[in-house]
Amino acid sequence: NAGVTQTPKFRILKIGQSMTLQCTQDMNHNYMYWYRQDPGMGLKLIYYSVGAGITDKGEVPNGYNVSRSTTEDFPLRLELAAPSQTSVYFCASSVRDGKLFFGSGTQLSVL
Amino acid sequence: AQKVTQAQTEISVVEKEDVTLDCVYETRDTTYYLFWYKQPPSGELVFLIRRNSFDEQNEISGRYSWNFQKSTSSFNFTITASQVVDSAVYFCALSEAASNTGKLIFGQGTTLQVKP
Repeated sequence: NAGVTQTPKFRILKIGQSMTLQCTQDMNHNYMYWYRQDPGMGLKLIYYSVGAGITDKGEVPNGYNVSRSTTEDFPLRLELAAPSQTSVYFCASSVRDGKLFFGSGTQLSVL
Repeated sequence: AQKVTQAQTEISVVEKEDVTLDCVYETRDTTYYLFWYKQPPSGELVFLIRRNSFDEQNEISGRYSWNFQKSTSSFNFTITASQVVDSAVYFCALSEAASNTGKLIFGQGTTLQVKP
């Protein structure tokens, strides 16, 4: 059982480049989330989705976009990468109970 | 605004010692959920426990126990007879119960090192 799968695991971007972080889950969860974790800090919510076609901003959405065309997939798009977006990104999914299942994370560096 | 504070940045213990990780939270909601997650060196976060604000019973699961005190807004986590495999970063988190309970506010995390 794969759970939540994120790709890529590591990526280095130049300032101004764009990229998409992929996230897919096979647990048929309606709720999906993107969090970022900065060194020595807790996780902060970027965007979330309560079902296909429905997304909403979290605490730190600036510089990111998401889409949710299927229940399984929830990609995160960085349009113009900035050094402040250097972080570890976690995708998670759940039913409506807060028990999140996390992916293994994507370590992103913007230089 | 909601806030979670884990004042202990790093804790180091010797194997078999008991250790308590502190968590203090702030919220104006009357109904909410509290969580603990573990992040081992591999990096993936793992759910440990969820507690409803209405339920102040302490909980024990094996070597793990949780002490929820609404009066002091605290949700502390104790590991009894710690083991090297307990070495990880532990996060306390808070969410509103009325809305999407996966929208978590995380504390800064406590890094626990258990030495053999």
